[in-house]
Amino acid sequence: DIQMTQSPSSLSASVGDRVTITCRASQGISNFLAWFQQKPGKAPKSLIYAASSLQSGVPSKFSGSGSGTEFTLTISSLQPEDFATYFCQQYNSHPRTFGQGTKLEIK
Amino acid sequence: QVQLVQSGAEVKKPGASVRVSCKTSGYTFINYYITWVRQAPGQGLEWVGQISAYNGNTDYAQKLQGRVTMTTDTPTTTAYMEVRSLRSDDTAVYYCAREAQGGPDYWGQGTLVTVSS
Repeated sequence: DIQMTQSPSSLSASVGDRVTITCRASQGISNFLAWFQQKPGKAPKSLIYAASSLQSGVPSKFSGSGSGTEFTLTISSLQPEDFATYFCQQYNSHPRTFGQGTKLEIK
Repeated sequence: QVQLVQSGAEVKKPGASVRVSCKTSGYTFINYYITWVRQAPGQGLEWVGQISAYNGNTDYAQKLQGRVTMTTDTPTTTAYMEVRSLRSDDTAVYYCAREAQGGPDYWGQGTLVTVSS
């Protein structure tokens, strides 16, 4: 199975900041990577697919990059509604695997 | 608009079975996969498996192989997931999601399955 490792596991930031979350795959997955946002008690929300393409309706403050084994999610100009947990997932092969999550908290 | 609406919370005893439904609308059902993901209390996301709504082909996580079955019903555009021989560590919120070529895009609201004696 492909292991997905996110860093950091948690992150404190202020409103208006720009933050970057990293996701590393244990083997190359081309660009078959998605990012999700999850708030407490809610279903995940899909943000990005194919490493850098925004899902419909997702604001451009979210951006993704990377290919192969290293990927990043960047969120610019943080607003209160952006504080949540973020997960990456590879869909290059079965079984699909998720990163352990990065909890973004208000400083 | 695309919607996935799941069945309600379930409480089951160890060894029992549970079936969760995922009623879809707003898109052409057979053009997509349905993916199932679960989340134990306070934990991350775990992929359970996937079914093609076109031909019924399935892929399951090794951890649940032999205990999980995913099906679809095209006339009602509904997907189902059954887990048998439930154990306490199956306690989780189970999500269905629509998936095409770019990973899951739309998600159901989740169904809490509690396994307790």
